[in-house]
Amino acid sequence: TQLLEQSPQFLSIQEGENLTVYCNSSSVFSSLQWYRQEPGEGPVLLVTVVTGGEVKKLKRLTFQFGDARKDSSLHITAAQPGDTGLYLCAGVGGSARQLTFGSGTQLTVLP
Amino acid sequence: ETGVTQTPRHLVMGMTNKKSLKCEQHLGHNAMYWYKQSAKKPLELMFVYNFKEQTENNSVPSRFSPECPNSSHLFLHLHTLQPEDSALYLCASSLKAGGPPTYEQYFGPGTRLTVT
Repeated sequence: TQLLEQSPQFLSIQEGENLTVYCNSSSVFSSLQWYRQEPGEGPVLLVTVVTGGEVKKLKRLTFQFGDARKDSSLHITAAQPGDTGLYLCAGVGGSARQLTFGSGTQLTVLP
Repeated sequence: ETGVTQTPRHLVMGMTNKKSLKCEQHLGHNAMYWYKQSAKKPLELMFVYNFKEQTENNSVPSRFSPECPNSSHLFLHLHTLQPEDSALYLCASSLKAGGPPTYEQYFGPGTRLTVT
């Protein structure tokens, strides 16, 4: 069974601060996705990283896939209240190529 | 608006009731999924349908019965549920299941189910 551990579980910061969320596994994934879920809604895909060592930027969000494709990080610069939500990482792997989700990081950005 | 709709958004049912959850996607996708999201637990994949054929059943109890009449519609029939089945049930779709790593899954808003 492939497991993804996310840390921290909860994060509460002030507007303007920077933060990093981590997603770690002992398994290798062919790709890794990051989703954000807001209350009352389903997860929305933010990015997919495919290549070990890959870095993708989406405005103030920077996503990195580890060289060994076992871990990933999400860095947010100058966080805003609109960034508040549950951030989920999900790895693609195994013969069925189904998504394995991490337990999530609940981010709250205070104005 | 992700192009995936779910009804009802909220459902309260007793343990002896029978109810159904409905999911519809307007994206032209061929794969549809049911997930269970409980507090403090990762999203759990329940069922996968690819071109209307069930390709995955992750050891889900038989009190949950999926139905996929066509690639745009997915149902989850519920009967004799337990209180621990209370959760957010999410439907998702993708171009196809088991495709290249970049195939995205689009999620509906979910049905919040409470079993009393």
